[in-house]
Amino acid sequence: SAVISQKPSRDICQRGTSLTIQCQVDSQVTMMFWYRQQPGQSLTLIATANQGSEATYESGFVIDKFPISRPNLTFSTLTVSNMSPEDSSIYLCSVDTLAKNIQYFGAGTRLSVL
Amino acid sequence: AQKITQTQPGMFVQEKEAVTLDCTYDTSDPSYGLFWYKQPSSGEMIFLIYQGSYDQQNATEGRYSLNFQKARKSANLVISASQLGDSAMYFCAYNAGNNRKLIWGLGTSLAVNP
Repeated sequence: SAVISQKPSRDICQRGTSLTIQCQVDSQVTMMFWYRQQPGQSLTLIATANQGSEATYESGFVIDKFPISRPNLTFSTLTVSNMSPEDSSIYLCSVDTLAKNIQYFGAGTRLSVL
Repeated sequence: AQKITQTQPGMFVQEKEAVTLDCTYDTSDPSYGLFWYKQPSSGEMIFLIYQGSYDQQNATEGRYSLNFQKARKSANLVISASQLGDSAMYFCAYNAGNNRKLIWGLGTSLAVNP
């Protein structure tokens, strides 16, 4: 398995501001994913973070709102831009270890937007 | 369309007893993987167990076992000897073919009573 460090673990932000979430892995991984989990809901994939190229976004998510960086094989960031209360969610990063397709997750970032 | 169904929004079990959490899936791809994750109230997503579609035996990991019934397209999670710390949300997920993106169920909330 991979050890994934995600930070911040939680934050309270004002509407209109932006927050950048970091995800650091202890080994090189090919695929990293960013998810959103709205209160009481299941996980929704935001995008796949590709090393050295632009992220691949799922339907309903756009780069202007959720810019993603992946400068190397062990690190990625997700920015939640121009936040509104509707962005209040848990944001999770995961990595695909290529071993049995298993995805391992960071501890998540619990975001509240006032 | 590919989908995954967890029909039990909430479950209760007495401490030390076994509990089965249901999961059915729908895919036409012969190669797929099935996953169970646990999400405690802290929000982290913890990988529990994996079953490949071509695996001959049901997967087991400690107190967790997966009752895989391929013809019925079901992948139920069995937790034996429940503990208070098992109280959490449990999510079933799968991916199929070469697509490493996970399709998630809505989750089952498990409460273990002392």
